Amino acid sequence: KNEVEQSPQNLTAQEGEFITINCSYSVGISALHWLQQHPGGGIVSLFMLSSGKKKHGRLIATINIQEKHSSLHITASHPRDSAVYICAAQFMNYGGSQGNLIFGKGTKLSVKP
Amino acid sequence: DAMVIQNPRYQVTQFGKPVTLSCSQTLNHNVMYWYQQKSSQAPKLLFHYYDKDFNNEADTPDNFQSRRPNTSFCFLDIRSPGLGDAAMYLCATSRDTGGKLFFGSGTQLSVL
Repeated sequence: KNEVEQSPQNLTAQEGEFITINCSYSVGISALHWLQQHPGGGIVSLFMLSSGKKKHGRLIATINIQEKHSSLHITASHPRDSAVYICAAQFMNYGGSQGNLIFGKGTKLSVKP
Repeated sequence: DAMVIQNPRYQVTQFGKPVTLSCSQTLNHNVMYWYQQKSSQAPKLLFHYYDKDFNNEADTPDNFQSRRPNTSFCFLDIRSPGLGDAAMYLCATSRDTGGKLFFGSGTQLSVL
């Protein structure tokens, strides 16, 4: 069964802290997405990765294919980083076009000033 | 500039009254997706188009239909909205299936 598990479900941090959100998945994937959603808002795609590590500003995403695990890191966190962060996987064995993503339940991050 | 545009941002309809949500894109992507997201839940794929080819998810109710008259536009039609259809509806595009997704800002649908 294709599953995506995220942890933690909720995370509160102080401004400036280093933050890590974890994502694990059950079977082989073709790509993993990290998405950001602000309250009442649409979704912004942060990263799409299939191996290694990507960095954009204060955000870093890593993936370990062998361990079926990915992490999203935020350095020097800021209150404006407060949002829900969602991990979503495109599974290799998804019948058809690989168009569907299996979403994790999201991590609600709150960064306090 | 917004590349995937959804209108309206908020939509209120009455129980049973048909409603159409719209999505347009300036990216010239082949694939357009419609997701439904209920409060505190993960988005759920309703259907997607690859060019003009329509792909319906097996568990998408018949009440939900879609049209893609051209590359740029895609519509979600809810024929007889029920209270359970109140949700955020997200449109997304990608150049190809398996590619990076670009999401619109969503339409929050309320059903009275």
